[in-house]
Amino acid sequence: NAGVTQTPKFRVLKTGQSMTLLCAQDMNHEYMYWYRQDPGMGLRLIHYSVGEGTTAKGEVPDGYNVSRLKKQNFLLGLESAAPSQTSVYFCASSLVAGNQPQHFGDGTRLSIL
Amino acid sequence: AQSVTQPDIHITVSEGASLELRCNYSYGATPYLFWYVQSPGQGLQLLLKYFSGDTLVQGIKGFEAEFKRSQSSFNLRKPSVHWSDAAEYFCAVGAGDYKLSFGAGTTVTVRA
Repeated sequence: NAGVTQTPKFRVLKTGQSMTLLCAQDMNHEYMYWYRQDPGMGLRLIHYSVGEGTTAKGEVPDGYNVSRLKKQNFLLGLESAAPSQTSVYFCASSLVAGNQPQHFGDGTRLSIL
Repeated sequence: AQSVTQPDIHITVSEGASLELRCNYSYGATPYLFWYVQSPGQGLQLLLKYFSGDTLVQGIKGFEAEFKRSQSSFNLRKPSVHWSDAAEYFCAVGAGDYKLSFGAGTTVTVRA
């Protein structure tokens, strides 16, 4: 009964390094999302996907790239990490958008030094 | 575009007392409304949702929320809080497209 699984759970990077966050869901959901959570700002959408092979920009896409090669996986990449990308990153998935609740992973805590 | 305001950043409540968290939304049509709870170090868990019909909706953990169109509000309530209800609560509004807009959250502290 895994739901949405994010790896890794914690990571510390140096400025300029790159990394990929992995999100996997086992609910056969079409839609997947990447959010970042910062104190006092709620969750902000970075990128989303409406199905395998598709991706689209959300509110705050700059500095991030994504890929959805398989329906169950959604990857978030940081090509050249910056301190402003220090945040908690959440992945979510849903059957369809809008009128169905999103199911969230436990988050990845990322610090950029 | 839709938006959500949670006016209270932090609420402290005594165990056994009632709790009400405010949520105001901005959207031209009938929105899809959600309340999520986030315990420390965890992801967001859905408490309840409103799409249409009865404006008083029941959720998990003894929570309920009431949709008031005239006030553009969707306040969350619990008659008697438990220490385990200490968490951060997020109201969210969806408009039928991909976008789910979240409020900034309300942190609830429960004192013994």
